[in-house]
Amino acid sequence: AQKITQTQPGMFVQEKEAVTLDCTYDTSDPSYGLFWYKQPSSGEMIFLIYQGSYDQQNATEGRYSLNFQKARKSANLVISASQLGDSAMYFCAMRESAGANSKLTFGKGITLSVRP
Amino acid sequence: EAGVTQSPTHLIKTRGQQATLRCSPISGHTSVYWYQQALGLGLQFLLWYDEGEERNRGNFPPRFSGRQFPNYSSELNVNALELEDSALYLCASSFLTGRTDTQYFGPGTRLTVL
Repeated sequence: AQKITQTQPGMFVQEKEAVTLDCTYDTSDPSYGLFWYKQPSSGEMIFLIYQGSYDQQNATEGRYSLNFQKARKSANLVISASQLGDSAMYFCAMRESAGANSKLTFGKGITLSVRP
Repeated sequence: EAGVTQSPTHLIKTRGQQATLRCSPISGHTSVYWYQQALGLGLQFLLWYDEGEERNRGNFPPRFSGRQFPNYSSELNVNALELEDSALYLCASSFLTGRTDTQYFGPGTRLTVL
């Protein structure tokens, strides 16, 4: 079974509007971390936001916020006031902390296109 | 503060050759990770080095190997290159703070095997 699921094939949003990118995850580990990364066409993965499984509040970083619903195992990224530079691939990733495992497991990504 | 750097940016090899990719982590980071992003396969974890030791490896054959040097920089070696090794290879570094060990990525090395 997939550990990280991103089912939206591609998203379009008008400049200055908000957009939500969906991510669901699957783990039996009580301690885990969820990450969102942005990958522009240049290829570099840019860290956006982190949510720990024990964090009481949803994470926020500037225009990015994470809608964390633990019972539903979802960690959706919300981008407010979209900008043309937000056009990129967005990846949701999870780090489980069992044993010596420190790797990130990534979803397949979502393409976001911001229209002027 | 300088981010993660990788070299070379592009690498073109022929089947059967060996490729060496290099990564310098963010200053103060002791962990280095390698990921492969092949077309259609998404990002796959390759290797994790911490304090000079290999801590974990992904589901890749032994011809993918690497090492971490005393200054925490790292090298990924791919022997007996195959066409399907063509991919973007991303290196990341992190430092465990007690709350999170966010991985910060470099710009990648694009390997093309002809």
